[in-house]
Amino acid sequence: GQQLNQSPQSMFIQEGEDVSMNCTSSSIFNTWLWYKQDPGEGPVLLIALYKAGELTSNGRLTAQFGITRKDSFLNISASIPSDVGIYFCAGQLNDMRFGAGTRLTVKP
Amino acid sequence: ETGVTQTPRHLVMGMTNKKSLKCEQHLGHNAMYWYKQSAKKPLELMFVYNFKEQTENNSVPSRFSPECPNSSHLFLHLHTLQPEDSALYLCASSKTSGGANTGELFFGEGSRLTVL
Repeated sequence: GQQLNQSPQSMFIQEGEDVSMNCTSSSIFNTWLWYKQDPGEGPVLLIALYKAGELTSNGRLTAQFGITRKDSFLNISASIPSDVGIYFCAGQLNDMRFGAGTRLTVKP
Repeated sequence: ETGVTQTPRHLVMGMTNKKSLKCEQHLGHNAMYWYKQSAKKPLELMFVYNFKEQTENNSVPSRFSPECPNSSHLFLHLHTLQPEDSALYLCASSKTSGGANTGELFFGEGSRLTVL
């Protein structure tokens, strides 16, 4: 089906390090999105990708829509403590499917 | 502030209680959604409304009953819940284009439900 496999499940990094996480699926999607959820809050959209191969940046965040349309990655450069949270990928074809999330911890 | 407001933020109820969750969006969107979020699991889509009409019911038990009186308001009525229904319930909204949403969901802060 349209299940998304998001990895890693969790990451513990030092402030200043770069972070990479990805999502893969056996199904193709027309849109890939990345959301961040802070504790006690709802998810907030970070980056939306609409075309295979598209590479988009939002500040220190960079995301790519895989050429096969079955995967996407998110990179965070020079992490800071406020990057802490859960990052979700989402893929959309007819409806939207979410990954299980990557929980990021940044140690000062 | 995402423009989507949910109340209450926290709710504790017994299995025989009846309660409701409320969602209001100030974004002028035409689609609204209920999602269930359990620990370490993907967000589970429960219901979708487009222009006040329910377009998706994702095999949700009848103890959850949605209501969408207009494009700005969405309710989730709860009745005879089970402890495994304890979770964060998220409301979201999006624009619609030709009946299909654009993919960009705007979420509320969620209602944390505990069923005793």
